[in-house]
Amino acid sequence: GESVGLHLPTLSVQEGDNSIINCAYSNSASDYFIWYKQESGKGPQFIIDIRSNMDKRQGQRVTVLLNKTVKHLSLQIAATQPGDSAVYFCAAVPSGGYNKLIFGAGTRLAVHP
Amino acid sequence: KAGVTQTPRYLIKTRGQQVTLSCSPISGHRSVSWYQQTPGQGLQFLFEYFSETQRNKGNFPGRFSGRQFSNSRSEMNVSTLELGDSALYLCASSLQASTEAFFGQGTRLTVV
Repeated sequence: GESVGLHLPTLSVQEGDNSIINCAYSNSASDYFIWYKQESGKGPQFIIDIRSNMDKRQGQRVTVLLNKTVKHLSLQIAATQPGDSAVYFCAAVPSGGYNKLIFGAGTRLAVHP
Repeated sequence: KAGVTQTPRYLIKTRGQQVTLSCSPISGHRSVSWYQQTPGQGLQFLFEYFSETQRNKGNFPGRFSGRQFSNSRSEMNVSTLELGDSALYLCASSLQASTEAFFGQGTRLTVV
């Protein structure tokens, strides 16, 4: 089955720097991948998604890169702000999985002034 | 537009009891999914309902069950509670063909 893992449990960055959060997945048969942000005491919040037939997708201050060759996904946050401090999860949706999300373990992003 | 509403927010139960959690999706959303979040196992998929039908199920024992009503509201039930069932239970709603799932704030269940 699908499993999703993250490279680092914690990432500390300075305010204004760019952040890169990485994720590896095991199953090639995933329709799309999603990044979520979870703040303390809240449910996960959708950030951006990317379909498996794409390599890159950009949003507001965020970019997701998908490398299907090495089964790797990354989230880049430009000009990181204190409000970006949270736990970030990548999730994969298996083919035919409807709205079933397979989540990675999460990376805690700490932004320092 | 109101978000996903989960009730109750906090719950304390005793081992062996059963519990029912409720989720009201965003208006117009017909898909509701449930997840269990624990520090050790992370976020794990429980099941997904669409138009009152369970379309997908995760790897949880039969003590975990759910249902969806005609107004898309959903409930999940856990019977014969165990200490390991202590977790944050999250509900997410989405449109049928949308990748964007909106999560509620969750129900924090503590089993003592």
